[in-house]
Amino acid sequence: AQKVTQAQTEISVVEKEDVTLDCVYETRDTTYYLFWYKQPPSGELVFLIRRNSFDEQNEISGRYSWNFQKSTSSFNFTITASQVVDSAVYFCALSPYGGSQGNLIFGKGTKLSVKP
Amino acid sequence: ETGVTQSPTHLIKTRGQQVTLRCSSQSGHNTVSWYQQALGQGPQFIFQYYREEENGRGNFPPRFSGLQFPNYSSELNVNALELDDSALYLCASSLGWGDAFFGQGTRLTVV
Repeated sequence: AQKVTQAQTEISVVEKEDVTLDCVYETRDTTYYLFWYKQPPSGELVFLIRRNSFDEQNEISGRYSWNFQKSTSSFNFTITASQVVDSAVYFCALSPYGGSQGNLIFGKGTKLSVKP
Repeated sequence: ETGVTQSPTHLIKTRGQQVTLRCSSQSGHNTVSWYQQALGQGPQFIFQYYREEENGRGNFPPRFSGLQFPNYSSELNVNALELDDSALYLCASSLGWGDAFFGQGTRLTVV
């Protein structure tokens, strides 16, 4: 079975704190992709990152970084020096078809509130 | 903005009615996927259209149907609406298996 678990329902931090959002996935596929999306109150899903199952290198993009560990089936997302504009719901997702974003399996999301 | 537009943004329907939601894909994109997002949940895949043909379907009943037009825009139709169909419906467009871009969604309320 394919499944994505985001155990943290809500996180609240004060601006400039670092915060890590956890994601654990289940799949029997050897080839798969993992994604993170941000959903602000407007509702649109904003693509943040795609990582394939063969690339376990950590990635950093500005204040964002991702830690992919196949051994623990985790793909965690860290925001450094959080800002109020980071407040949103963040979704981790799994694609079982090797890159297609047409059939994404989403977790239930983590609502991040960053207070000034 | 992604260039994916959905209409309407909000609507209210009565149980048993039918509804049509529309999605204009980003220029150059030939693939459209539809998702249902219930309140407090992650989006769930409904189906995908590639070059006017259905190209995959999630665990949704046949009363959820769709179309893709020659210009690659798409419609999602839901018949015999139920209260549980109340959700945010998201459309995503892509060029084949490339990165998908989501619209802002249509908020459907069934009363």
